Amino acid sequence: GQQLNQSPQSMFIQEGEDVSMNCTSSSIFNTWLWYKQDPGEGPVLLIALYKAGELTSNGRLTAQFGITRKDSFLNISASIPSDVGIYFCAGRQGAQKLVFGQGTRLTINP
Amino acid sequence: KAGVTQTPRYLIKTRGQQVTLSCSPISGHRSVSWYQQTPGQGLQFLFEYFSETQRNKGNFPGRFSGRQFSNSRSEMNVSTLELGDSALYLCASSALNRQAEAFFGQGTRLTVV
Repeated sequence: GQQLNQSPQSMFIQEGEDVSMNCTSSSIFNTWLWYKQDPGEGPVLLIALYKAGELTSNGRLTAQFGITRKDSFLNISASIPSDVGIYFCAGRQGAQKLVFGQGTRLTINP
Repeated sequence: KAGVTQTPRYLIKTRGQQVTLSCSPISGHRSVSWYQQTPGQGLQFLFEYFSETQRNKGNFPGRFSGRQFSNSRSEMNVSTLELGDSALYLCASSALNRQAEAFFGQGTRLTVV
């Protein structure tokens, strides 16, 4: 099925470092979402973006809705051990289904 | 406010059997969607229901079916189980005024042996 291109697939960083990940699509979306999933749990919604160019923060997390409506970015500042997990982007256009990226696995070395 | 509740959490079935999974959405949410998550394929959309009507459907065989009840609770059924159906099945619900924002349950881990 349709997928978003999410990169990188995995990241290994030191505690305290900043993290950046992004998603691109061949289709435009009018909503971009970012989720975090811990092992054995369902994804948890972190940030929702509704307007092209929008920049939204949630604590140390900041996400942007790309101007072209075909991409989105997530930044995590000053990473801590509990940031470990898999981050997913998701896009939706109108009433169509929500489409997910393949995820970015974040590992933090203390 | 209680979150999305999925039952059971874990299930082991034999090839050829059928299975029914249940999902109770967040109170007031009328849209429910289902996803299959496997390590190799990521999150794959199964179907979405709104007010008891299927609104969207993914590319899964007819063995996968679902329904939504008048209280917005939803069930999905998989018949004639195959080994490849082993996966985490996730349900998500959305509010009417924020339909793009899907809130997920903890999932049902199905193992087919």
